[in-house]
Amino acid sequence: EPEVTQTPSHQVTQMGQEVILRCVPISNHLYFYWYRQILGQKVEFLVSFYNNEISEKSEIFDDQFSVERPDGSNFTLKIRSTKLEDSAMYFCASRLQALSTDTQYFGPGTRLTVL
Amino acid sequence: RKEVEQDPGPFNVPEGATVAFNCTYSNSASQSFFWYRQDCRKEPKLLMSVYSSGNEDGRFTAQLNRASQYISLLIRDSKLSDSATYLCVVNGFGNEKLTFGTGTRLTIIP
Repeated sequence: EPEVTQTPSHQVTQMGQEVILRCVPISNHLYFYWYRQILGQKVEFLVSFYNNEISEKSEIFDDQFSVERPDGSNFTLKIRSTKLEDSAMYFCASRLQALSTDTQYFGPGTRLTVL
Repeated sequence: RKEVEQDPGPFNVPEGATVAFNCTYSNSASQSFFWYRQDCRKEPKLLMSVYSSGNEDGRFTAQLNRASQYISLLIRDSKLSDSATYLCVVNGFGNEKLTFGTGTRLTIIP
């Protein structure tokens, strides 16, 4: 069964450093998402991406965050200058269609630790 | 009011018992409803979509009450492998994002 994959599984960084989290969505999917989950809290939407542009973003997704699909397979989330409060699990998801009934499939996540 | 509200639990239930979870959502324009399951430190995985007429998948039954903005999940004949956190998830009309509840933690006791 096709899966969303994410690398690295765990990233440790110093406050103020830039990090890039990578995702490979399911190959024929068209809609891509990033979510995050701070330890002990709920999963929160960050951004959605379609046709090479952001279609929706949350208040969390400020100027420190950016997303990119640099080639036909990868989808990346960049945090320019990490803060302690960026420590969380970051999940990538993809969906075949835009229908709200269509399933979003989640990757295994990248655990980001900011020291 | 929280967008999606769930009882966080924990629910500690003996193997073989029936357990029910409830969830309420605040946005009456919400269009799609799901139950996801999340194991400790893992990604959310779709358990089932929830349809207006109610739907069943093996031991799992989901119900939706749009008038009360209420969603439920029933697990019959619970198994040890059902131990997880169950996430109530809502998707709005014309809105791509999934909105998650905080989850209800279930532990099945042998």
